[in-house]
Amino acid sequence: DAKTTQPNSMESNEEEPVHLPCNHSTISGTDYIHWYRQLPSQGPEYVIHGLTSNVNNRMASLAIAEDRKSSTLILHRATLRDAAVYYCILRGGGRRALTFGSGTRLQVQP
Amino acid sequence: DTEVTQTPKHLVMGMTNKKSLKCEQHMGHRAMYWYKQKAKKPPELMFVYSYEKLSINESVPSRFSPECPNSSLLNLHLHALQPEDSALYLCASSQPGTGTYGYTFGSGTRLTVV
Repeated sequence: DAKTTQPNSMESNEEEPVHLPCNHSTISGTDYIHWYRQLPSQGPEYVIHGLTSNVNNRMASLAIAEDRKSSTLILHRATLRDAAVYYCILRGGGRRALTFGSGTRLQVQP
Repeated sequence: DTEVTQTPKHLVMGMTNKKSLKCEQHMGHRAMYWYKQKAKKPPELMFVYSYEKLSINESVPSRFSPECPNSSLLNLHLHALQPEDSALYLCASSQPGTGTYGYTFGSGTRLTVV
C-alpha cells in the first residue's frame, strides 16, 4: 500500500489559517487523497477528498501538488473546535478499505 | 439521516460474558466496517461487509464475530474477551468501491473488559 507521511503534531493560533502537509510520493494514478479528522472522544469525521484538482468545501480546502506526491489540507480560520488528529489517507487503486496512519495532532491556542 | 448510530456507548464486560455491539445507518450505504482503536493510536480495520457479505477479515480472533443481518445493521458479537481487547470500537459505512466515496463513522462503543 502507498504510504503517507505527516508531521506528528502542529500548533496554530485561533482565527489563523492552518496548513497541514502530507507526503505521498508512491501514490498511484488512481489513488484519491482523503482527509479525516478525529476530535477527542469521537469517531473520525470525513473532511475532504480529491484526485488531481484542488478542492474546496465548507470545512476546508485541499491543495494537491501537480505531481500528486504531496498535498496540503488548509483550514482557513482555525477555531478551538478544530483541535483534533488529522489523517491523510490514500484510497482507491484496489486498496481494500480506509487504512489510517498516525496522523497529525493539531493544537489550537486561543 | 446522515448518521451512523452505535449502541451502547459504553460497555463493561467480564471475560466470561457474551455481549453484542450494534451499529445502524439509514444512508443507503452498502458497505459497513468495524474498526478497533486503542488509546492514542489510529483506528485499525477489523472487518468489512460489502452488500451484506463479509469481504475482509483482518485476521481478527474468533472471539469477535461480526454479523450483518441487513443493509442497515451491523453487529459485533463478543465472547470470552481478554482485558487487552478493551478499546474504542468504531463502526463506519460507505458506498462500496474505490476512492470516490467518503466514510461516515459512528462515535464508537468504549469497551472495558474486566
